[in-house]
Amino acid sequence: EAGVAQSPRYKIIEKRQSVAFWCNPISGHATLYWYQQILGQGPKLLIQFQNNGVVDDSQLPKDRFSAERLKGVDSTLKIQPAKLEDSAVYLCASSPLGRGTEAFFGQGTRLTVV
Amino acid sequence: ELKVEQNPLFLSMQEGKNYTIYCNYSTTSDRLYWYRQDPGKSLESLFVLLSNGAVKQEGRLMASLDTKARLSTLHITAAVHDLSATYFCAVVLDKIIFGKGTRLHILP
Repeated sequence: EAGVAQSPRYKIIEKRQSVAFWCNPISGHATLYWYQQILGQGPKLLIQFQNNGVVDDSQLPKDRFSAERLKGVDSTLKIQPAKLEDSAVYLCASSPLGRGTEAFFGQGTRLTVV
Repeated sequence: ELKVEQNPLFLSMQEGKNYTIYCNYSTTSDRLYWYRQDPGKSLESLFVLLSNGAVKQEGRLMASLDTKARLSTLHITAAVHDLSATYFCAVVLDKIIFGKGTRLHILP
């Protein structure tokens, strides 16, 4: 079974630039998550989709971050404009519907804002 | 708001020793996950705990869940260097909330 695919793996941008990350979840997984992991910290949930609807985006900085999941499959996360404090690893995860199913994580995109 | 606290945050131990990592959480939940993360890598699922009293074991790692105490433990038996990593617990409500992680360093 193919895992969660993310691209790019690494990205370096200057502050105030924009950037986009892409995620392809495991086939058939209805729930998709984007997490931000700052170095030395635990993953922080940014947004959670179920199919193509948003379940939770309470921690998403909506003035600069946006995410979409068209057709309930792939998802993109965008930052515009980026700030220095956005430097982190952005992790995408997916899980099937149903109780007791853990989230499976992609390799992440390491973003450095200079 | 759900809070998930792990302790210790850092742990350095000798090979062959036993130790326990604790995960406390603030809101009732009967689902909890443990993940492992190696440096520069993503998160690998270790255990899924689904009910009060659940206990799961894999090799030298054993995880348990006490939903009444809102506590999960990850016990390491006779530690080996390969278990060096950061371990996260994650509590499940309608979303998955992670603790800050326990960075485990096992000295050969």
